[in-house]
Amino acid sequence: AQSVTQLDSQVPVFEEAPVELRCNYSSSVSVYLFWYVQYPNQGLQLLLKYLSGSTLVESINGFEAEFNKSQTSFHLRKPSVHISDTAEYFCAVSDPGTGGYNKLIFGAGTRLAVHP
Amino acid sequence: DTGVSQDPRHKITKRGQNVTFRCDPISEHNRLYWYRQTLGQGPEFLTYFQNEAQLEKSRLLSDRFSAERPKGSFSTLEIQRTEQGDSAMYLCASSLEGPKQFFGPGTRLTVL
Repeated sequence: AQSVTQLDSQVPVFEEAPVELRCNYSSSVSVYLFWYVQYPNQGLQLLLKYLSGSTLVESINGFEAEFNKSQTSFHLRKPSVHISDTAEYFCAVSDPGTGGYNKLIFGAGTRLAVHP
Repeated sequence: DTGVSQDPRHKITKRGQNVTFRCDPISEHNRLYWYRQTLGQGPEFLTYFQNEAQLEKSRLLSDRFSAERPKGSFSTLEIQRTEQGDSAMYLCASSLEGPKQFFGPGTRLTVL
């Protein structure tokens, strides 16, 4: 079965500094990969996704993630963070094989805290 | 497109009581999912509907849990004889086709 590991439970960073949130998944022939963001007392919002094609995917608010098949990783990066980026970030995987794409498997989350 | 909605947003109940949550997916989305999220953890898959058919259930969904989607539109999740361990955020998501899911705001359940 698929599993997702987010290596950091909390990441504190100063405003305008770069940040990387790490995500590794268990090996599979092919997967779909996602990053979701959750603000306090809200549901999950899709930040970006990798389904196929270019291994570097970008969001509209400056985040990017790179799919690395050999290292089974999908790390999230932003070159300069803002206070408003403070939130919980979840990495998720969906296995398109055997109909398994019906469900998402999530990591435990990384709390990004941006300080002024 | 009004998004996925869930009702109620918060529910406080006493141990042993039954509770029911409702999820309204995005219009015309044929797939609907329920997840449970406990404090400090990521969401865990509970069950999945395609139209009105419940196609997959997690082992997390004990006999006290039941979910329905009678007309292939809204869905309900019922928990009977609630236990303190049921306290969590219950999230609903929907999708049209493929793996991209849209989440609702969740229902936070507190069992006293």
